[in-house]
Amino acid sequence: AQTVTQSQPEMSVQEAETVTLSCTYDTSESNYYLFWYKQPPSRQMILVIRQEAYKQQNATENRFSVNFQKAAKSFSLKISDSQLGDTAMYFCAFMKPVHNQAGTALIFGKGTTLSVSS
Amino acid sequence: DTGVSQDPRHKITKRGQNVTFRCDPISEHNRLYWYRQTLGQGPEFLTYFQNEAQLEKSRLLSDRFSAERPKGSFSTLEIQRTEQGDSAMYLCASSLRLAGGISYEQYFGPGTRLTVT
Repeated sequence: AQTVTQSQPEMSVQEAETVTLSCTYDTSESNYYLFWYKQPPSRQMILVIRQEAYKQQNATENRFSVNFQKAAKSFSLKISDSQLGDTAMYFCAFMKPVHNQAGTALIFGKGTTLSVSS
Repeated sequence: DTGVSQDPRHKITKRGQNVTFRCDPISEHNRLYWYRQTLGQGPEFLTYFQNEAQLEKSRLLSDRFSAERPKGSFSTLEIQRTEQGDSAMYLCASSLRLAGGISYEQYFGPGTRLTVT
């Protein structure tokens, strides 16, 4: 079974600084997808960034980028130029595509609460 | 496109009562997922549908839980004989699977917070 581990329950950063959130996972699959989701306080979860395991290039979305180390099974999220609106809980998630089902459930880590202060 | 909606947003019930939650996915989305999230934890998968067919159920979905998506549009999640351990946020998500493709992004609703007293 796949597992996702986020070892940092809480992180804090000042506005405009850079922060990195850690995520490791365990799987015997070679083809899978990894995601970072953001859940702001009392608001719904939204997708921040995704990475296909077969792609060596790290994904980037504006101020958000990942460091994907497939051999080490590591998938960290870097937030540059942090903003107050980045304050949220961040979840790392794993998805294993299943033949004929093309995408199944997400397996989430326990999350990291990020606080951005001015 | 109004996003995924869930009703009710909050539900307080007494132990032993039955409760039903509703999820309306994004209109063209053919996949619908249910997750449960307890305080301080990540969401845990319960079940998902492709159109009206329930394709997978987690071992977390005990016999007291049942989910339906009768016409491939909205879905309901019913919990019978609620227990205090059922207190959680129940999240619904939807995605669009294109023929032969991968449905990457799941769009989440605001959740239904259940409190069992």
